[in-house]
Amino acid sequence: SQQGEEDPQALSIQEGENATMNCSYKTSINNLQWYRQNSGRGLVHLILIRSNEREKHSGRLRVTLDTSKKSSSLLITASRAADTASYFCAPAGGTSYGKLTFGQGTILTVHP
Amino acid sequence: DTAVSQTPKYLVTQMGNDKSIKCEQNLGHDTMYWYKQDSKKFLKIMFSYNNKELIINETVPNRFSPKSPDKAHLNLHINSLELGDSAVYFCASSQGVGSDTEAFFGQGTRLTVV
Repeated sequence: SQQGEEDPQALSIQEGENATMNCSYKTSINNLQWYRQNSGRGLVHLILIRSNEREKHSGRLRVTLDTSKKSSSLLITASRAADTASYFCAPAGGTSYGKLTFGQGTILTVHP
Repeated sequence: DTAVSQTPKYLVTQMGNDKSIKCEQNLGHDTMYWYKQDSKKFLKIMFSYNNKELIINETVPNRFSPKSPDKAHLNLHINSLELGDSAVYFCASSQGVGSDTEAFFGQGTRLTVV
């Protein structure tokens, strides 16, 4: 299974702090995506990192991938109250037919 | 314009009823999906259609039947609803089916079976 497991399950921080979420998986992958889900909404794609990449940036987001440890991390710098959401990783590889396999997500709460 | 829209957003119904959820995407994508999110937030794929052909059919009770009349629409019909069917159902779409495919999700349909 290529399901990712996010850790921690919940994270509570103050506005302006950095938030780090981790994702572990068990099989070889071609890439890994991160998605955000605001309360009562659908998932929104944040970033994709390929297996030959170690780090990728997008605005305040920084994603790392360590294929030897089968893990990825998502760092949100200078967090804002609007970053409050659940964050999911989706590792993928092989013939997935576009299927995304998610874990339980990390619930991030950013206090103003 | 909403890219992936689902109707209804909320659905409360009694056990044993039959209900449908509709999904439409205006992104011109060729692949659509149904996902189910349970009360613990686990999100699991149920079905996927590529160019109106069923390509993913996970272990789902046959009370659930997807229908794709065209590439822009994917509906989900559920017969004989059970309490355990209560969940949030998400429709999604993508262009292509590669492992790096980005999915676009609808806002979800919260189904409550009483």
